[in-house]
Amino acid sequence: GAVVSQHPSWVICKSGTSVKIECRSLDFQATTMFWYRQFPKQSLMLMATSNEGSKATYEQGVEKDKFLINHASLTLSTLTVTSAHPEDSSFYICSATQGLAGGNEQFFGPGTRLTVL
Amino acid sequence: GENVEQHPSTLSVQEGDSAVIKCTYSDSASNYFPWYKQELGKRPQLIIDIRSNVGEKKDQRIAVTLNKTAKHFSLHITETQPEDSAVYFCAASLNTDKLIFGTGTRLQVFP
Repeated sequence: GAVVSQHPSWVICKSGTSVKIECRSLDFQATTMFWYRQFPKQSLMLMATSNEGSKATYEQGVEKDKFLINHASLTLSTLTVTSAHPEDSSFYICSATQGLAGGNEQFFGPGTRLTVL
Repeated sequence: GENVEQHPSTLSVQEGDSAVIKCTYSDSASNYFPWYKQELGKRPQLIIDIRSNVGEKKDQRIAVTLNKTAKHFSLHITETQPEDSAVYFCAASLNTDKLIFGTGTRLQVFP
């Protein structure tokens, strides 16, 4: 099956700093990538939809200036959490889809656990 | 927008028994309904999915049913095993675009 990786798998940072998370599709070209956030014992909440070469579409309530998404190529999307605060601590998961050619199934990355001190 | 409700939030069954998890969705245009299994700290794993042109789909011990009129879909796991213990999420989307997840069901299978 299609493989999606994320880096780093976990990160601890100080409050006020920025953190970049990478999402890569390793063996396919991803027409669309999605970013989710999951707090402990909660569901996955979609943050934004990212298409290569265009601006991300953010879900209601997600600050686009705080969560910067760059989808520079068909295999890489990045999420930058700017000026991170303890309430941003969460499990961030990306997914990627091949589009119609691949049946549109979303393939999930392993997630990145962010802890902001 | 789409809203997905999921019940129950927790489910405990004896090994060998069946487990049923139910979801309802709000947007009648949604046409793709996947189910995911997530173990602690891991990524969601697709276990089965169904599209709106099908009423039922089965894969070994797992089956999903869809009632478009009532906007309900359910996951059925038969002959449960301890390794089935995990959190299960339903989701809904239009044309497999962005997924809207249910709130999750923590399934515990006791030996």
